[in-house]
Amino acid sequence: DTGVSQDPRHKITKRGQNVTFRCDPISEHNRLYWYRQTLGQGPEFLTYFQNEAQLEKSRLLSDRFSAERPKGSFSTLEIQRTEQGDSAMYLCASSREAGQGAYTGELFFGEGSRLTVL
Amino acid sequence: GQNIDQPTEMTATEGAIVQINCTYQTSGFNGLFWYQQHAGEAPTFLSYNVLDGLEEKGRFSSFLSRSKGYSYLLLKELQMKDSASYLCAVKAGRKLIFGQGTELSVKP
Repeated sequence: DTGVSQDPRHKITKRGQNVTFRCDPISEHNRLYWYRQTLGQGPEFLTYFQNEAQLEKSRLLSDRFSAERPKGSFSTLEIQRTEQGDSAMYLCASSREAGQGAYTGELFFGEGSRLTVL
Repeated sequence: GQNIDQPTEMTATEGAIVQINCTYQTSGFNGLFWYQQHAGEAPTFLSYNVLDGLEEKGRFSSFLSRSKGYSYLLLKELQMKDSASYLCAVKAGRKLIFGQGTELSVKP
């Protein structure tokens, strides 16, 4: 059983650089989510995909952030012109679509990609 | 708007029982989840409530009152390994909205 995997696990970059994170969801899961988490806070919703379609995007997400899921499998999250305030853990999660067996809407999370912007 | 409140920190003794409360006001409600997160690790699913009442799962139980916008997570026979952050999350539409988490410290 392979869970949700994320790469890289850690990224240190300088302010102004671009970074890209990759997420591979559980293979039979149609839904994929990106969250951001800072120390002492709960995960904050960024965006959500159903297959390859990006169905919802947080208003908190600036134009510097873009996410794709081109073939409905893995997803990438790119941050352009990084700022120190972007330093956080970026969590990816996946879930089944309603009707695929017992469904609660439970999200399965990856270990996260920790970003440090200097 | 979306608002989920839970205590920031709690401390309890090994072997005891602890109750972590969560109140919520959200636009849309399709269920309430509790997750456990150890430091530096991914959140892991603990429980799900969509109807009012108590759901029991081993040492963990979760309660929901939709009319009061209230839930709690009950942990029995506390063990040191239960020291973690406990996240309350409401399913609104197709996404989960999380509270800030309650950091539980279990002391010997």
